[in-house]
Amino acid sequence: AQSVAQPEDQVNVAEGNPLTVKCTYSVSGNPYLFWYVQYPNRGLQFLLKYITGDNLVKGSYGFEAEFNKSQTSFHLKKPSALVSDSALYFCAVRPRNSGGYQKVTFGTGTKLQVIP
Amino acid sequence: DTEVTQTPKHLVMGMTNKKSLKCEQHMGHRAMYWYKQKAKKPPELMFVYSYEKLSINESVPSRFSPECPNSSLLNLHLHALQPEDSALYLCASSLQGFSGRETEAFFGQGTRLTVV
Repeated sequence: AQSVAQPEDQVNVAEGNPLTVKCTYSVSGNPYLFWYVQYPNRGLQFLLKYITGDNLVKGSYGFEAEFNKSQTSFHLKKPSALVSDSALYFCAVRPRNSGGYQKVTFGTGTKLQVIP
Repeated sequence: DTEVTQTPKHLVMGMTNKKSLKCEQHMGHRAMYWYKQKAKKPPELMFVYSYEKLSINESVPSRFSPECPNSSLLNLHLHALQPEDSALYLCASSLQGFSGRETEAFFGQGTRLTVV
């Protein structure tokens, strides 16, 4: 069975400071990993994904994430936080052999609060 | 067009009503999904359609009935719902990925359902 852990329910960061939202996963074999963001009363928006190749993945809105196989982590980072980054962030994982469609498992979500 | 469109945005229904949620995408995606999301919780997968065939039913009660009339449309028929079914219902689609062609899921904005 696959699982995703987001150990922090909420992360507070001052505007302009770097931010990190943590994610660890458990899955058989090599995973596909995703980060999504959700603003209030909206659907999820894709930020970035790790499929293969370079462990540092760059995504939308200046976000990036680093795949660390030995630590089974995929932490989301941004060098300089904006107030508009305040939202709910979900990490997601799926195994490589799940038949083409995305039977992903989502983490419990981390609320990011950027303080002006 | 990279949108998944859901209608209606809001729905209030009584426990004896019959209603339908609709979802449409024109990205050529052949995998479509229904998720249920409670406040501040991750989305929970309900159904997956792959090439217009129901591929996954996550033990969802029969008062929820999905339908995929064609490759662009996905419906969720609701009947005799309970107040605990009140939630945000999200539709998503993704490219049917094989041989390493993996893409993220695109989500609609959701239908906020309230059962009274």
